[in-house]
Amino acid sequence: GAVVSQHPSWVICKSGTSVKIECRSLDFQATTMFWYRQFPKQSLMLMATSNEGSKATYEQGVEKDKFLINHASLTLSTLTVTSAHPEDSSFYICSARLLNTQYFGPGTRLTVL
Amino acid sequence: DAKTTQPPSMDCAEGRAANLPCNHSTISGNEYVYWYRQIHSQGPQYIIHGLKNNETNEMASLIITEDRKSSTLILPHATLRDTAVYYCIVRAPLSNFGNEKLTFGTGTRLTIIP
Repeated sequence: GAVVSQHPSWVICKSGTSVKIECRSLDFQATTMFWYRQFPKQSLMLMATSNEGSKATYEQGVEKDKFLINHASLTLSTLTVTSAHPEDSSFYICSARLLNTQYFGPGTRLTVL
Repeated sequence: DAKTTQPPSMDCAEGRAANLPCNHSTISGNEYVYWYRQIHSQGPQYIIHGLKNNETNEMASLIITEDRKSSTLILPHATLRDTAVYYCIVRAPLSNFGNEKLTFGTGTRLTIIP
């Protein structure tokens, strides 16, 4: 149990385009989901926390207008990177909370050319 | 949340027990200790968590000292697939809103040697 999926697993896009990443909790409902970013050889950094049906809470330094988060259902959260630039290239990982524990998705590798 | 300190790297022979230490000397009385691991280019995998008592599941055992200032994750029979970065994280209990975050440090890079 407690499986979280992400789609796509990797994406390459041109600078200036927008990219949407989906995060799904497959076998449980998640009121709260989290989005992380990981640059090479670094640890995971929390970007934002989203609660179903309400606005996401962003960490300091994360632009909410650039990283749009939607958590419209108890099993789906989406992260849209708008007007992506090469510096947005990273490994994006979501997690979903079940009871007292966060379970993570497999990650999405974004490369912006 | 309390900060944790872990050794940056460790080696362990295949088939032996891997013991990964974690210091969390500023932990508060109601904060939990969580362990995750991240295999290269994958999302973190939950391993185990505990509050005061020692815990065991199919993956590992968690030993928390009586004063709760440190803990040890034990992988009883390490295999090559256990090579990963292991993160020890201290987290506050969930409030009614339930947004308590996991803050990842740099972890311990465990290498299992054949």
